[in-house]
Formats: sequence, C-alpha cells, structure tokens
Amino acid sequence: EDQVTQSPEALRLQEGESSSLNCSYTVSGLRGLFWYRQDPGKGPEFLFTLYSAGEEKEKERLKATLTKKESFLHITAPKPEDSATYLCAVQAWGGSEKLVFGKGTKLTVNP
Amino acid sequence: ETGVTQTPRHLVMGMTNKKSLKCEQHLGHNAMYWYKQSAKKPLELMFVYNFKEQTENNSVPSRFSPECPNSSHLFLHLHTLQPEDSALYLCASSPWLAGYDEQFFGPGTRLTVL
Repeated sequence: EDQVTQSPEALRLQEGESSSLNCSYTVSGLRGLFWYRQDPGKGPEFLFTLYSAGEEKEKERLKATLTKKESFLHITAPKPEDSATYLCAVQAWGGSEKLVFGKGTKLTVNP
Repeated sequence: ETGVTQTPRHLVMGMTNKKSLKCEQHLGHNAMYWYKQSAKKPLELMFVYNFKEQTENNSVPSRFSPECPNSSHLFLHLHTLQPEDSALYLCASSPWLAGYDEQFFGPGTRLTVL
C-alpha cells in the first residue's frame, strides 16, 4: 500500500530562519510527487510536481527536491506570508490516478 | 467566476436530513474529484469522474452519492449521515485524468453533522 509520512507535524520559524520539511514515501512505482500549500479555510494550492530522483524545482523562497525515498521542501528566508500547511502527495504507476496524501506540516513564520 | 467554486461553504445538518454539495469548475477541465479532509487525517479521495463517467469509488459508504451531469458540474448528495462524517469536503478538477496534471481545488464545504 502506498504511504506518505510528513515531518515535522508542525514547525515554527522566525522570519528569515531557513528550514526544510520532509516527505517520506513508499510507493510501488512513483509516477509523480506533488507539493501543495493549504491556507486556513481554503483548498490546497498546487506548488510543484517532481517526477524522478535528483529533480529539483524552485518557486520564490521554496525549493523542492526528490530522492528515491523522500522529498524535501526547503524554505529560504521565510516570511510570515509563507505560513500555511504544506501537503505532500504521491501518485503511482499502475492505472489508478489516485493521489495519496500525507497529513501535512503546519508552518508558522513569526515576524 | 473563476477556478473551482463550491457551495455551500458551510453546512450543518441532522442525521436524518438530505442535502447536496455543489461544485463547478470554470477551467474547461475534463476530470473532477471529491475529497474528504478530516482533522488530523490525510486528504482522502472519495470519487473520480472523467468526462462525466465515474472511474473510481474509493470504498465510500452509500450514504454519499455523487452525480456528474457534465464535465463542469459535480454534486455530492448526502443522506442519513453520521457525526463522524463531519469534515471539509473538497472538490478538485484537472485537465485530463492523467498522472502529470496538477489538480485545482475549490475552497471546500465545511460539513457538521449533529
């Protein structure tokens, strides 16, 4: 069964304090790994898709990386507006289009 | 309206009520999804529709009944729900039912079952 574990559950940073969020996964054959951002009272907002080990993608202060077992979301010099819950999801080869999500990491950035 | 819209945004219902959730996407997509998001649990896929045809039912109890009259609209009909069904119900859409397409989510309906 495909599984996604995100750590930590919650992370509190000071503005400008860089850190990383972890997404560990087990999947029969990875088709894609997705990162989403979710603000309170809103639906998830797409950030990145990673397809193969070694791939990296960047968007503003965020950088996502992928290995064969895990993905990291690096946040460089975060700002209070980066506060949100970050969700990781995997999709496996094999016919189903199902995304399997982790529980998320709730990030709080204090000014 | 743009993106994916959901109505109502909040719903309180008794266990014997019948209600419906509505989702509309203004993106020209062909695939639509219902998800359930409960506190402290991962987002859980419920149903998938591709060109109005249901392609996945993720072992959802029959008290949840989806309907997709066209590629732009998706409904979730609710009847005789249980308190444990209280959650945020999210609708999403994607251009195609293919692995590389991101899914666009609506804001959700916060459902409380008394």
